[in-house]
Amino acid sequence: AQSVTQLDSQVPVFEEAPVELRCNYSSSVSVYLFWYVQYPNQGLQLLLKYLSGSTLVESINGFEAEFNKSQTSFHLRKPSVHISDTAEYFCAVIAVNDYKLSFGAGTTVTVRA
Amino acid sequence: EAGVTQSPTHLIKTRGQQVTLRCSPISGHTSVYWYQQALGLGLQFLLWYDEGEERNRGNFPPRFSGRQFPNYSSELNVNALELEDSALYLCASSLEPGNTEAFFGQGTRLTVV
Repeated sequence: AQSVTQLDSQVPVFEEAPVELRCNYSSSVSVYLFWYVQYPNQGLQLLLKYLSGSTLVESINGFEAEFNKSQTSFHLRKPSVHISDTAEYFCAVIAVNDYKLSFGAGTTVTVRA
Repeated sequence: EAGVTQSPTHLIKTRGQQVTLRCSPISGHTSVYWYQQALGLGLQFLLWYDEGEERNRGNFPPRFSGRQFPNYSSELNVNALELEDSALYLCASSLEPGNTEAFFGQGTRLTVV
């Protein structure tokens, strides 16, 4: 079975400051890794994913995440946040042989002016 | 093109009642997934359907069940509702098994009183 730990439940940050959301996973088999974002009163949207290849993956709105196999981590970063980035962020994994998403508990990011 | 649609958006039921939630996947998507997002418990995998068959099931009691129709839409049924079933129920669809890009609906907010 896989498990995901998001180390921070709440992250307050000022506008234009950098942010890092930490995610660690455990699995006995190879996994695919994902970050989803949930804006208030909405469903989940895929932010970015790592399947294979380059360990650094980027989203279209400035987020990036780096897969670190030795540390079993997939931390999400953005160098400069906007008010509109206020949302809950979920890290998720799928075992390559399972096809079932396992989510972390989520990190609420609140961006203040 | 329409995204994943779920109905109803909100629902209030009494303990002991039964409820049916509905999900229409993105056109062409054959896999449908159901997740429960309960307060304090994060996102929990419920069920996965593909090509009309149940492929995987999360750690939920048998009173949680569902089905997928020939047009790939899906229903989630919950019998003998308990207060702890109050949650946001999210449906997701993907083009094929593997879920490497799952698209989520807005969810159905179920409140059990």
